[in-house]
Order: sequence, then C-alpha cells, then structure tokens
Amino acid sequence: KAGVTQTPRYLIKTRGQQVTLSCSPISGHRSVSWYQQTPGQGLQFLFEYFSETQRNKGNFPGRFSGRQFSNSRSEMNVSTLELGDSALYLCASSPGLAGGLQFFGPGTRLTVL
Amino acid sequence: GESVGLHLPTLSVQEGDNSIINCAYSNSASDYFIWYKQESGKGPQFIIDIRSNMDKRQGQRVTVLLNKTVKHLSLQIAATQPGDSAVYFCAEIDDTGRRALTFGSGTRLQVQP
Repeated sequence: KAGVTQTPRYLIKTRGQQVTLSCSPISGHRSVSWYQQTPGQGLQFLFEYFSETQRNKGNFPGRFSGRQFSNSRSEMNVSTLELGDSALYLCASSPGLAGGLQFFGPGTRLTVL
Repeated sequence: GESVGLHLPTLSVQEGDNSIINCAYSNSASDYFIWYKQESGKGPQFIIDIRSNMDKRQGQRVTVLLNKTVKHLSLQIAATQPGDSAVYFCAEIDDTGRRALTFGSGTRLQVQP
C-alpha cells in the first residue's frame, strides 16, 4: 500500500496570506490527524477528522481549520498567516478513530516571511 | 533536510553498542504508548508500541519497557547501526477524553561508525 502523501512538500508565504495543505491517507484509512512540528514546541496535535467530521481538536486558534472529503482525503487551512506559523505540518492516518497507531506522511514545510 | 529540533538532548553511541532512550510521561491515564523515529526530511516512522497492561515488548532489535509506577518508558536498540541515527519520540494516548497522541520532546541519537 502507498503511504500517507502530503502536498505540497514546501511552501513559502507572507504574513497575512492563507494557505491550504493537502493529505491523502493510506488506502482504507478513515481517520486523518494533523500535527504542527516546531523546534520550540515539538509535535502538537491540531485536529482529527473521521468520516468527514472533526472528532478532536487541539489548542490552536480558529485560524487553523480543516476538512475531510468522502474519499478520506483531508485539507487543512491556515488563514491570516503569522511568522510563528512557520513549521512542519504533519498528517497522520489510521484505520479508525485516534486511540491507536497512526502512520505519518513526510510533512509540508511552511515558511512564513 | 528538515530540522526537527535544534536543542534536543543527544545520545551518542558507537556502532554496535546498545542504545537506551528514555521518556518520562506525566499523565497517569495514558494507556497506550508508541515510539516513533524521525529522520531528517521525513515524517515520524512507527517503531514499536506497548499497552499499559504490559511492562515489556520486544521487536526486531528493539525493546520497549514501561514502568507505570514512575511513569517511565524506555526504548532499547540492540547493536545500534548508523541507520538508526535519527530523532526518537515517545507518544502517549490517555484513556479519557480526547485520545490524541501527545508527543515527548524527542531525543537525537547519533551513531558513530
């Protein structure tokens, strides 16, 4: 099976812009979770989607949002970008709801200038 | 490649030696633990997991030990190889509420040839 894929791999934006990142889970996996990874804060949970519904949410502002499509593919959106949003954004998929093993994609490196 | 942490604790070992990476957790409600390995430019990769009803689990060249009394988890890598050089994260899931993965800050393993 192909692994989790994320596009784009690298992205450069300026403050105030918005960005959309995409994630395709492993075939058959229905849960997609998003994480932000920074040197200072480590890996932090953003949200989880299952069957097109957000099931879990981390402690991030409302500028961070996401959605999941019927084919389980997911997108996350960050509006009004800030310098501190520069990070590696990781997507992980699992067969069912979180509480079990998650498989990660390679991430999207977002740089905000 | 991606920088996953500029100020991580670092464990340096000689090729062929055994490595022990430690992780302390604080949530006594955590009931599932996973070790991930992250190489530069890649997302976290599953190594081994353990449930709270076990205190030891072995895989190929890796062993995870869980001490619930002191909330401590360790990853032992036998006969460490240069390919083991990476950042290692422990992650936990609690059995209440959100059930999202909570990651430790990571340890960088450097294997000297």
